[in-house]
Amino acid sequence: SQQGEEDPQALSIQEGENATMNCSYKTSINNLQWYRQNSGRGLVHLILIRSNEREKHSGRLRVTLDTSKKSSSLLITASRAADTASYFCATAGGLGAGSYQLTFGKGTKLSVIP
Amino acid sequence: ETGVTQSPTHLIKTRGQQVTLRCSSQSGHNTVSWYQQALGQGPQFIFQYYREEENGRGNFPPRFSGLQFPNYSSELNVNALELDDSALYLCASNGGAEETQYFGPGTRLLVL
Repeated sequence: SQQGEEDPQALSIQEGENATMNCSYKTSINNLQWYRQNSGRGLVHLILIRSNEREKHSGRLRVTLDTSKKSSSLLITASRAADTASYFCATAGGLGAGSYQLTFGKGTKLSVIP
Repeated sequence: ETGVTQSPTHLIKTRGQQVTLRCSSQSGHNTVSWYQQALGQGPQFIFQYYREEENGRGNFPPRFSGLQFPNYSSELNVNALELDDSALYLCASNGGAEETQYFGPGTRLLVL
């Protein structure tokens, strides 16, 4: 079953604009991660935010986490055509012994128009 | 590049057949997870192996099984294929207590 729900399902913006994607989840988490997927191939890890963190930055990416609302957002600033991809949030739940199972949402399909 | 490879890249099977998909993890990564991604959906967790033992399983029937080998390779086996098994199958590895999972490029399976 899918834990996370991304919003919007699809987003189309002009190059140079900012893109914001939101994710909501249902159960308590150890951490939340964002991944990018190009053209139905493998997922690329973008950023991880732990449950005791509220905001994290990595290059043009900014992630926030609100555990009270069970929600997260991913902001991509100054978007480029190469950012065109599907973006997924994934929550990490413990399997014990330090192992984690990732539960993904359905993703946001971002199109950046040159 | 994540250092995780999968083979084959594409595969076509008919209903009722069996299939084996392969994954080679990053050296030193003793945990491998397998995911199924149907078209237009997010990946769904199938199971995870840690040091050659199954460490957790998602909501998939027993005809989905796996193996992990000491040389950081692993297999996903699916018996009695059904049309709904058509999907992209992804493996991901991580080492120790590392929380980030590194994904391979996937195997696209089509069941006719």
